[in-house]
Amino acid sequence: DAKTTQPTSMDCAEGRAANLPCNHSTISGNEYVYWYRQIHSQGPQYIIHGLKNNETNEMASLIITEDRKSSTLILPHATLRDTAVYYCIVRVGPWSGGGADGLTFGKGTHLIIQP
Amino acid sequence: SAVISQKPSRDICQRGTSLTIQCQVDSQVTMMFWYRQQPGQSLTLIATANQGSEATYESGFVIDKFPISRPNLTFSTLTVSNMSPEDSSIYLCSGGRTGVTDTQYFGPGTRLTVL
Repeated sequence: DAKTTQPTSMDCAEGRAANLPCNHSTISGNEYVYWYRQIHSQGPQYIIHGLKNNETNEMASLIITEDRKSSTLILPHATLRDTAVYYCIVRVGPWSGGGADGLTFGKGTHLIIQP
Repeated sequence: SAVISQKPSRDICQRGTSLTIQCQVDSQVTMMFWYRQQPGQSLTLIATANQGSEATYESGFVIDKFPISRPNLTFSTLTVSNMSPEDSSIYLCSGGRTGVTDTQYFGPGTRLTVL
């Protein structure tokens, strides 16, 4: 799986959009970008994933650059409950024969939502 | 989405003893995994729990220390054997269905303290 780089920590004001960047310059053509988050004292939670098109669901939006070397997770209206460690993970998707392995977690970004 | 439960939620154990952690999934999954999260650290994959056969361990983890069982699709156990204080961590299981979305769902974790 390709290596990812994320800032160690970020602050965001409640009600504002939180934009979390991730660099994955060595990503391969069959690798997807996944985002998970871990709220304190809980197990990680899946947020969103994408290959090359921008994706949106009820939790967040994922913007992937055209060259796929970086991406941004956007929480459109951050709340205090969004304070968590956010993990960007790159891995081969199930449609490309992958998906049978466990996840490789980096250090992630500790997002703190300020009231 | 799959709901995953773990027992016990926490335990305090004496050095040299063993603890078995149970993981139950509420729906059939194709893959189950066990992770360790040391204090202040990210998650590290211990092994893939294979139904009816020996688990597949990651580098640095061995069966004698972390025996794993998975007798059916929805249940798995992880035993931490001959514990030492260095085994004090949170142990998490996850499950997912590959070939569809590759989303993994995590249990709440078992917080283990070894004295």
